[in-house]
Amino acid sequence: AQSVTQLGSHVSVSEGALVLLRCNYSSSVPPYLFWYVQYPNQGLQLLLKYTTGATLVKGINGFEAEFKKSETSFHLTKPSAHMSDAAEYFCAVSSNSGYSTLTFGKGTMLLVSP
Amino acid sequence: GAVVSQHPSWVICKSGTSVKIECRSLDFQATTMFWYRQFPKQSLMLMATSNEGSKATYEQGVEKDKFLINHASLTLSTLTVTSAHPEDSSFYICSARGERGNTEAFFGQGTRLTVV
Repeated sequence: AQSVTQLGSHVSVSEGALVLLRCNYSSSVPPYLFWYVQYPNQGLQLLLKYTTGATLVKGINGFEAEFKKSETSFHLTKPSAHMSDAAEYFCAVSSNSGYSTLTFGKGTMLLVSP
Repeated sequence: GAVVSQHPSWVICKSGTSVKIECRSLDFQATTMFWYRQFPKQSLMLMATSNEGSKATYEQGVEKDKFLINHASLTLSTLTVTSAHPEDSSFYICSARGERGNTEAFFGQGTRLTVV
């Protein structure tokens, strides 16, 4: 069984500040990990993913995440927040099988103030 | 990335009628499609997984007779909400995964269903 915990349903930052969205996972097999962004009334867009290899993963829009097996974490960061980053962010996990389903966290709403 | 198109993006229907939502993979063959339901300010709840040419696998608690899923081709899956009621109002999202155990599933833009 797999599960994802996103700490904090809302995170508020000022424009230009560091963004840190936390994600911890539980998986009995080596995980594949994903971060998605959702804008209001839209589907999900993949920001980045970790499957194998380098543990620091760079994604779109300046986001990156680091897979830390010892901490079972996959936190999402961005050095400098932009107003357009305001959205809902979902962390998700699947097993290292190509046909497994995604298990999503409850999401974190990122609020960016001027 | 690959494109998944979901139609309609929003629909309003009367209680007791049926509504069909389409999910198409535009530039790849989707051997597996997933249907999710999302309540306001909540996460995505997987409703069912469908593989082309076979019956959908429904998650526990999802009524298969109410939410009919058809995955008749490698580019199209449909979700039909039968005899819709106001409690079926929600945001429905599909995603599609291609062949060869691809790790990434691409998402449609979602359908806002309102039953009045």
